[in-house]
Amino acid sequence: AQSVTQLGSHVSVSEGALVLLRCNYSSSVPPYLFWYVQYPNQGLQLLLKYTSAATLVKGINGFEAEFKKSETSFHLTKPSAHMSDAAEYFCAVSASTGTASKLTFGTGTRLQVTL
Amino acid sequence: KAGVTQTPRYLIKTRGQQVTLSCSPISGHRSVSWYQQTPGQGLQFLFEYFSETQRNKGNFPGRFSGRQFSNSRSEMNVSTLELGDSALYLCASSEGHFPNYGYTFGSGTRLTVV
Repeated sequence: AQSVTQLGSHVSVSEGALVLLRCNYSSSVPPYLFWYVQYPNQGLQLLLKYTSAATLVKGINGFEAEFKKSETSFHLTKPSAHMSDAAEYFCAVSASTGTASKLTFGTGTRLQVTL
Repeated sequence: KAGVTQTPRYLIKTRGQQVTLSCSPISGHRSVSWYQQTPGQGLQFLFEYFSETQRNKGNFPGRFSGRQFSNSRSEMNVSTLELGDSALYLCASSEGHFPNYGYTFGSGTRLTVV
């Protein structure tokens, strides 16, 4: 079984500051990990995914995440926040083995960007 | 390339009625998954279809059902609607059955049950 825990339901940063959104996972098999962003009244947009290649994954809009097996973490970072980054962010995990394919999501972190 | 299209975008139904939601995946994508998003329960997996076969099912009552057609379009049906079924229903499509392909989500159908 897989699960993810997102630490902090709300994160507030100043424009230009570092963005750090935390995600820890639990998986009985090697995981695939994803970060999605959701803007109000919209669906989910894939930011990046880890599928056992490079541990440092670069995504869209300047975001990146590092897979750390020893810490069971997959934190999302962006060096400099922009007002347009204000949204809800979801970390998700899926099993990389077997035939069952589904995403198990965290509870989400709402990012607020202030001037 | 068109994205994942979900229709309708908004729907209001009365308790006890049934509803059918539609999802057209990205052209060439054969896997379609459905998720329910509510403020209380978050994002929860409903089911996944691949080549017209249900491959995986979440922990939802039998009132929730779905199907996939030969052109990969999918429908989701909820019978005997309850107030708690009010949610954003999201459809996601993928090239293949395995998660390494990644999933592209539609904008969702917001269902309100009154």
